[in-house]
Order: sequence, then structure tokens, then C-alpha cells
Amino acid sequence: EDKVVQSPLSLVVHEGDTVTLNCSYEVTNFRSLLWYKQEKKAPTFLFMLTSSGIEKKSGRLSSILDKKELFSILNITATQTGDSAVYLCAAEYTGNQFYFGTGTSLTVIP
Amino acid sequence: DAGITQSPRHKVTETGTPVTLRCHQTENHRYMYWYRQDPGHGLRLIHYSYGVKDTDKGEVSDGYSVSRSKTEDFLLTLESATSSQTSVYFCAISERVTGELFFGEGSRLTVL
Repeated sequence: EDKVVQSPLSLVVHEGDTVTLNCSYEVTNFRSLLWYKQEKKAPTFLFMLTSSGIEKKSGRLSSILDKKELFSILNITATQTGDSAVYLCAAEYTGNQFYFGTGTSLTVIP
Repeated sequence: DAGITQSPRHKVTETGTPVTLRCHQTENHRYMYWYRQDPGHGLRLIHYSYGVKDTDKGEVSDGYSVSRSKTEDFLLTLESATSSQTSVYFCAISERVTGELFFGEGSRLTVL
């Protein structure tokens, strides 16, 4: 059965800490892995990864995909309170469809 | 921001009544989706569309139907709402065959 599993389920850190969020997937006809940030409303797009080993960066956020071991990580350095959110990963498969994980809830304490 | 509008944004209804949620896009994207989001389940696909009058079922399609008569509009209908359909419903669009999803603001439906 196709699935996407995120860990940890929740995380509480202090401002300035670095966090690593994990996403493993088992999806038939995998095409890409996407990360989203959700703050009490619509998820907003962060990254799309299609190739193994190539890191994508946006400011303090970065992500990488390992297609051999079937996982991706999202790193956030020097965390800020504005990073508090639920982070979702999604695996895209044939036909432009997506399986989502249940998310990691990140709380950053001042 | 992608031009996606969902309506209504909030609705309370009673068991057994029909409900229609509307998703309107101004981006002319081919793919449109309806997801529901529930605690512990994340986002689950209800139905999706890959063109006008072209729709298909997702993993939780029972009790839902959709229609897409124009590129810009994708309607989700609950023919007879049940309490298990209390959820937050998100519409999403995709701009190309392989690409990221852009989400609407969500519609919170409560079925009493």
C-alpha cells in the first residue's frame, strides 16, 4: 500500500535551534517529493524535489531527496517563531496525483 | 498568490442535506483537486479533474461527486451530508503535468 510517513509528529524547540524533519515514502511510480508549510490555513509550497542528492535551499530552509532509500529531509536552521507551523510532505505519482503525510507540527519558543 | 477562491468558507448543515462547495481559479490551470483534511489523517484526495468534464476518484471519494463544466470551476457535492463528512475541504490546482499544488484557503464544513 502506498504511503507517506513523517517524523517526528511534533517538535518543540527554542529560537535559534536547527531542526530536521523527516519524510519517508513508498509510492508506486514515484515522480517527485514536495514540502509544504501550513499555518492554520492553506498549505504553502516550499520545495519540489525530483533528483537524488541535489539540495534545494531557500533562506534558512533546505531539503534533499534520497530516491534509493526513499526519504527526504527538511532542515531549518536558526529557527524563528515564525517557523512555527505544520510541515507537510507529499509524494507525487503517476497522473499528477499526490499522497500527503500527516505532517510534523513544529513549535518554536522565543 | 495563485488565484483560487473557495466558497463558502464556512458552512454548518444538518445530516441528510445536500451541500455544494465551489472552487474557482483564475490561473487557467488544467488540474484541479478536492482534498479533505482531518486530524491524524492529513490531506486526503477526494476527487480530481484533469480537464473540462474529465474527473476521477481519489482515495476517499465515497459520498462525494464532482463536476467541472468550465476550466475555472470545480464543484464538490455531498448529496446527503453525514457527520463523518465534517472536515476542512481544500481545493488545489496544478499548473503542469508534473508540478506543485497551489491551495485555496479552505472551506470548513460542519455536519450536525
